[in-house]
Amino acid sequence: EDQVTQSPEALRLQEGESSSLNCSYTVSGLRGLFWYRQDPGKGPEFLFTLYSAGEEKEKERLKATLTKKESFLHITAPKPEDSATYLCAVSSSGSARQLTFGSGTQLTVLP
Amino acid sequence: DTEVTQTPKHLVMGMTNKKSLKCEQHMGHRAMYWYKQKAKKPPELMFVYSYEKLSINESVPSRFSPECPNSSLLNLHLHALQPEDSALYLCASSQEHRGGRAQETQYFGPGTRLLVL
Repeated sequence: EDQVTQSPEALRLQEGESSSLNCSYTVSGLRGLFWYRQDPGKGPEFLFTLYSAGEEKEKERLKATLTKKESFLHITAPKPEDSATYLCAVSSSGSARQLTFGSGTQLTVLP
Repeated sequence: DTEVTQTPKHLVMGMTNKKSLKCEQHMGHRAMYWYKQKAKKPPELMFVYSYEKLSINESVPSRFSPECPNSSLLNLHLHALQPEDSALYLCASSQEHRGGRAQETQYFGPGTRLLVL
């Protein structure tokens, strides 16, 4: 059974204080690892898809990396508008089309 | 454009009502999904349609009835719901993969906030 664990559950940062969110996973044959941002009461917004260990992707202040056991979402010099819940999800060979989500990290960036 | 639209944004219904949620995408995606999300929890998969055919039903109660009339539209018909069915209902779509190693990215709509009284 696929498992995804995100840490920390909640993170409070000062504006400009860089940090990283962790997503540890256990799957039987990774097909893809996905990062989403979700604001309260809204649908998840796609950020990144990573397919293989060593892969990295960047978008503005965000950078996602992938190893064989975990993924990190690095946030550089965050701003208050980066406050949201960040969800990590995986898809594996045994569950095509079915995403296994972590519980999310609730990020708050204080001005 | 990676837009999935959902209507209505909010819905309040009694336990004896019949209502429908609608989802639309024009990205040419041939896989569409319904998820249910409770507060402070991740989305839970309900149904998957692939090329307008139901391919996954995650043991969802029959009071939820999905329908995919064409490749751009997905409906979720609701009947005799319970208060515990109150949640955010999310639609998503993705390119349909034809085997291979990669999993296509799912793009989510804004959701319908459902309250069952």
